Amino acid sequence: DIQMTQSPSALSASVGDRVTITCRASQSVSNWLAWYQRKPGKAPKLLLYMASNLQSGVPSRFIGSGFGTEFTLTISSLQPDDFATYYCQQYSSHPYSFGQGTKLEI
Amino acid sequence: QVTLKESGPALVKPTQTLTLTCTFSGFSLNTNGMRMSWIRQPPGKALEWLARIDWDDDKFYSTSLKTRVTVSKDTSRNQVVLTMTNMDPVDTATYFCARMPMAIAGAIDYWGQGTLVTVSS
Repeated sequence: DIQMTQSPSALSASVGDRVTITCRASQSVSNWLAWYQRKPGKAPKLLLYMASNLQSGVPSRFIGSGFGTEFTLTISSLQPDDFATYYCQQYSSHPYSFGQGTKLEI
Repeated sequence: QVTLKESGPALVKPTQTLTLTCTFSGFSLNTNGMRMSWIRQPPGKALEWLARIDWDDDKFYSTSLKTRVTVSKDTSRNQVVLTMTNMDPVDTATYFCARMPMAIAGAIDYWGQGTLVTVSS
């Protein structure tokens, strides 16, 4: 099974900051990687798929990159609505797997 | 408009079998390339993918849960069903169903609201 490891597990930042979250896979997932945002009491929201493709309706400040085993999610200028927990997910091979999450706090 | 909603018991006893139903609208699981998954999240923990079922009835399961989990579909009723046997308190979690269209290469674009299942005697 492919293990996904995110870092950091928690991150404190301020509105307007640029932040980067890293996701590493235990083996290559090519670019079969998605990023989700999760807020308490709400379903996860797809931000990016195929590592760097922005989902419709998602602001362009969310930027994804990477290939193979190392990926990053960058938020170019944090907005108040961005404080949440972020998860990466590989869907290259079964069983699919998620990272453990990165909690972005004010 | 795509919607998904999970339903089932909020409380199950240890060793019992859990059956959850996902009722969806706004798309068809008969559509070539459409897939649906079940995912769960224990309180304070990470998301965990459980199972996937495809338009052609292919099925895939979590390695650690494959002996306990079954997924099925009823396309005439727009429903997907998850069955998990021998429930344990560690299975306490919010369970989500989700859509995975080929248009976005199989990522999950719509999730249900989730249903909290507590396992306790």
